[in-house]
Amino acid sequence: EPEVTQTPSHQVTQMGQEVILRCVPISNHLYFYWYRQILGQKVEFLVSFYNNEISEKSEIFDDQFSVERPDGSNFTLKIRSTKLEDSAMYFCADRAGAANYGYTFGSGTRLTVV
Amino acid sequence: DQQVKQNSPSLSVQEGRISILNCDYTNSMFDYFLWYKKYPAEGPTFLISISSIKDKNEDGRFTVFLNKSAKHLSLHIVPSQPGDSAVYFCAAVSSNTGKLIFGQGTTLQVKP
Repeated sequence: EPEVTQTPSHQVTQMGQEVILRCVPISNHLYFYWYRQILGQKVEFLVSFYNNEISEKSEIFDDQFSVERPDGSNFTLKIRSTKLEDSAMYFCADRAGAANYGYTFGSGTRLTVV
Repeated sequence: DQQVKQNSPSLSVQEGRISILNCDYTNSMFDYFLWYKKYPAEGPTFLISISSIKDKNEDGRFTVFLNKSAKHLSLHIVPSQPGDSAVYFCAAVSSNTGKLIFGQGTTLQVKP
């Protein structure tokens, strides 16, 4: 079964530092998403990315966040200056052409901001 | 903005019995409704979905029921197995955005 791979699995960073979370989606697909889950809370939409452009972003996705597909395969989420409240699990999702919207999620990156 | 709600944070059932997980939504524009299962330190795994034009979809031990007039859906697991113990998220999507809106999740524990 095709997989979405995320690295690193855990990232600890100091407040104010930049972090880059990486995702390798299922190849040759066009729709990608980033979600996050703060501990004990629901999974929240951050941003959708279609054909190398942002198609929609949530209120959470402010100027500190950016997404790129720098080399046509990896898909990155960058947080420019991390805050304590950015601590969460970040999930990449691949729509993979699913007609039933059963997106494939990666196993996530646990970001801890100290 | 709680467009998708799961009011029960936890549910405990005996192995072999039925598990019923519930979900309510407010947005009439949703086209599809989904259930995801999540283990700790893993991403959500797609379980089953239902189109807004249907009222039931079945896949093995899993059945999802949709009541559009009540804006309510439920997931039935029969028979429940200890391996079903996980957090279950209800999600909804409208086809014009494609983004999933998740509920808060229900932790299911199936006791042997």
